Amino acid sequence: GENVEQHPSTLSVQEGDSAVIKCTYSDSASNYFPWYKQELGKRPQLIIDIRSNVGEKKDQRIAVTLNKTAKHFSLHITETQPEDSAVYFCAASKTGRRALTFGSGTRLQVQP
Amino acid sequence: GEEVAQTPKHLVRGEGQKAKLYCAPIKGHSYVFWYQQVLKNEFKFLISFQNENVFDETGMPKERFSAKCLPNSPCSLEIQATKLEDSAVYFCASSQTGTGLGEKLFFGSGTQLSVL
Repeated sequence: GENVEQHPSTLSVQEGDSAVIKCTYSDSASNYFPWYKQELGKRPQLIIDIRSNVGEKKDQRIAVTLNKTAKHFSLHITETQPEDSAVYFCAASKTGRRALTFGSGTRLQVQP
Repeated sequence: GEEVAQTPKHLVRGEGQKAKLYCAPIKGHSYVFWYQQVLKNEFKFLISFQNENVFDETGMPKERFSAKCLPNSPCSLEIQATKLEDSAVYFCASSQTGTGLGEKLFFGSGTQLSVL
């Protein structure tokens, strides 16, 4: 089955700096890659996603890049703010199965 | 509704007791997924439904876990004879049909199960 690895497990940045979280996946048939943000005690919230026919997608301060050949994708957050502090999860799925396979999460701490 | 609704928010059971969790998907969504999150990380996929039919049960520990999605009723996840290691937050998610929008999973707020 699919295996998604995520790094780093924790990330601390100063307010205003950029943060990058990286994931690799094992199943070359995976074609959908969302990112979720989970605040303490809350539900995971979809923040951005990308499909395999696209190499990059941007939404204001967040962007996701995908390298299909290398089977990795990354989340980029620019101009970080304290409210960006949360656990971020990458995930992958493929047409037909639909269920997401999640990475192990990255705890992002933005220091004011 | 516009949100996935899960009940109860918290559930406490003694080891060996039964636990039953409920999930109402977003109206119009035909796929329902159950995930187990232990220690605030590691989402473990349990089972998915397409309407009332099991779609994928590859993650389900079948000895004690069962799930149903019946017409006109909330979906349910039941754990018979709970064990300490079942303590986790159980999230339900739903999605639409088709590709494109259909891949987006929307999560409920979870049920925190504590087995004592």
